[in-house]
Amino acid sequence: QKEVEQNSGPLSVPEGAIASLNCTYSDRVSQSFFWYRQYSGKSPELIMSIYSNGDKEDGRFTAQLNKASQYVSLLIRDSQPSDSATYLCALRSTLNDYKLSFGAGTTVTVRA
Amino acid sequence: ETGVTQTPRHLVMGMTNKKSLKCEQHLGHNAMYWYKQSAKKPLELMFVYNFKEQTENNSVPSRFSPECPNSSHLFLHLHTLQPEDSALYLCASSERLAGGYEQYFGPGTRLTVT
Repeated sequence: QKEVEQNSGPLSVPEGAIASLNCTYSDRVSQSFFWYRQYSGKSPELIMSIYSNGDKEDGRFTAQLNKASQYVSLLIRDSQPSDSATYLCALRSTLNDYKLSFGAGTTVTVRA
Repeated sequence: ETGVTQTPRHLVMGMTNKKSLKCEQHLGHNAMYWYKQSAKKPLELMFVYNFKEQTENNSVPSRFSPECPNSSHLFLHLHTLQPEDSALYLCASSERLAGGYEQYFGPGTRLTVT
């Protein structure tokens, strides 16, 4: 079982819709969770971090964490063509505190 | 300069060449990282430095040799690479090594080994 799993996509959504991305993980003691956005040919850019169960909102982005079910999700409201990118889920475990484990990413395409 | 910078941005090298990648962070962070990103694969952690001391070598072949002279600079020395080493090499930094500190990435070096 992969440590961090994401659907590779592509996830295609119309402009203005909500894009919903999911990430599941296998390590029960994972404590810190991050979402990165990566445009084609560019480096990952941190967009959200979440540490506690529940929702965290930042502009059009909402991260949701459920440690009991071992998943973290990212919602993008009012999707724009500029949101078209690959979104990487990453987590840090308290067992290996400095190692950030990444999923392979979900590619999102927002069609105008 | 702000954030994390990397040079060169693109590098083409033969298998017998020796080259170095440079990373500099202007964030006052104490931990620095090298990652490799190959097509359709998750980011792979290669090396970790904390206060310029290496804390992780993630089973990386010896043809990759890191160097961290201070907390702001990180190098990756390359020699006798293989074509499968062609990838995007990313440097990152974080304020501290442990805990929930966020990692920030540089723009990367696109390496092609011919």
